[in-house]
Amino acid sequence: EPEVTQTPSHQVTQMGQEVILRCVPISNHLYFYWYRQILGQKVEFLVSFYNNEISEKSEIFDDQFSVERPDGSNFTLKIRSTKLEDSAMYFCASRAGNWNTGELFFGEGSRLTVL
Amino acid sequence: DQQVKQNSPSLSVQEGRISILNCDYTNSMFDYFLWYKKYPAEGPTFLISISSIKDKNEDGRFTVFLNKSAKHLSLHIVPSQPGDSAVYFCAASFNSGNTPLVFGKGTRLSVIA
Repeated sequence: EPEVTQTPSHQVTQMGQEVILRCVPISNHLYFYWYRQILGQKVEFLVSFYNNEISEKSEIFDDQFSVERPDGSNFTLKIRSTKLEDSAMYFCASRAGNWNTGELFFGEGSRLTVL
Repeated sequence: DQQVKQNSPSLSVQEGRISILNCDYTNSMFDYFLWYKKYPAEGPTFLISISSIKDKNEDGRFTVFLNKSAKHLSLHIVPSQPGDSAVYFCAASFNSGNTPLVFGKGTRLSVIA
């Protein structure tokens, strides 16, 4: 069964450092997302990406964040200068098309710990 | 601004009984609703969905009911099994090409053998 894969599964970094989280969405999917979940809280939308550009982003997704699809298979989330409050589980997700034709598939997540 | 609310953080149910998880929403423009299940250290996995043109959708042991006038939906699991123990997230969306899901905070279901 096709799946969304994410690396690394866990990353520990110092505050102020840059972090890149990587995702390989399901190959025939068109829409890509990053969500995050701070421990004990709800899953929060960060950004959506379609047709090689950001289609929507939340207020969490400030100038410290960027996304890229560099090679047609990977979908990356970069945090330029991490803060303590960026510590969370980051989930990549993808879907084929309109909601009626396909649900959102999530990866297993990348846990980011900022010290 | 909680557009999707799951007011019960946890629920315990005996094996074999019915589990009912509730979700309320505030935005009447939402027209597609989904339930996701999440085990620890895993990503959410899709369980069942319902479009606003329906009031019920059933898939095996799982049934989702939608009451648009009350802006309320519920997920029924019957019979509940120990493997159903997980966090269940309600999510809502607009039925357009690329509208992000808005999630509730989740309800932790524990099914006791």
